[in-house]
Amino acid sequence: EPEVTQTPSHQVTQMGQEVILRCVPISNHLYFYWYRQILGQKVEFLVSFYNNEISEKSEIFDDQFSVERPDGSNFTLKIRSTKLEDSAMYFCASRGQGQVQPQHFGDGTRLSIL
Amino acid sequence: RKEVEQDPGPFNVPEGATVAFNCTYSNSASQSFFWYRQDCRKEPKLLMSVYSSGNEDGRFTAQLNRASQYISLLIRDSKLSDSATYLCVVNKGGGSYIPTFGRGTSLIVHP
Repeated sequence: EPEVTQTPSHQVTQMGQEVILRCVPISNHLYFYWYRQILGQKVEFLVSFYNNEISEKSEIFDDQFSVERPDGSNFTLKIRSTKLEDSAMYFCASRGQGQVQPQHFGDGTRLSIL
Repeated sequence: RKEVEQDPGPFNVPEGATVAFNCTYSNSASQSFFWYRQDCRKEPKLLMSVYSSGNEDGRFTAQLNRASQYISLLIRDSKLSDSATYLCVVNKGGGSYIPTFGRGTSLIVHP
């Protein structure tokens, strides 16, 4: 079964540094998402991406965040200047065409900010 | 009222038991509903979509009640491997396809 893959599985970074989290969505999917989950809390939506542009974003997704689809397969989340509170699990997801299609999640990148 | 609300549990049940979870949502414009399961420190995995007429997948049955704005998940003949957190996910609707996650209901199935 096709799956969403994410790299790295764990990223440790000094506060203030930039990080790039990478995702390879399922190949025939058209909608891409980033979520985060702070330890012990619920999954929170960050941003959705369709047709090479952001379609929706949450309040969390401020100017420190950006997303990119640099080629036909990768989908990246960049955090420009990390803060301690950015420490969380970051999940990428993708889905096919159609509103009722469920999202398929990657196994996440654990981001630890020191 | 929270957008998506779930009883956090934990629900502690013996193997073979039947257990049911409810989830309420606040936006009447929501159109898509899902149950995901999440194991500790792992990604959410789709368990099943929830259709208006209700649907069943093996030991799992999902129901939607639009009038009361809740969805339910019934698990029959619980297995040890069913132990996980069950996430209710509701798309915002009204032109937004963004899914909103509940905090999850924790299920522990013991021998």
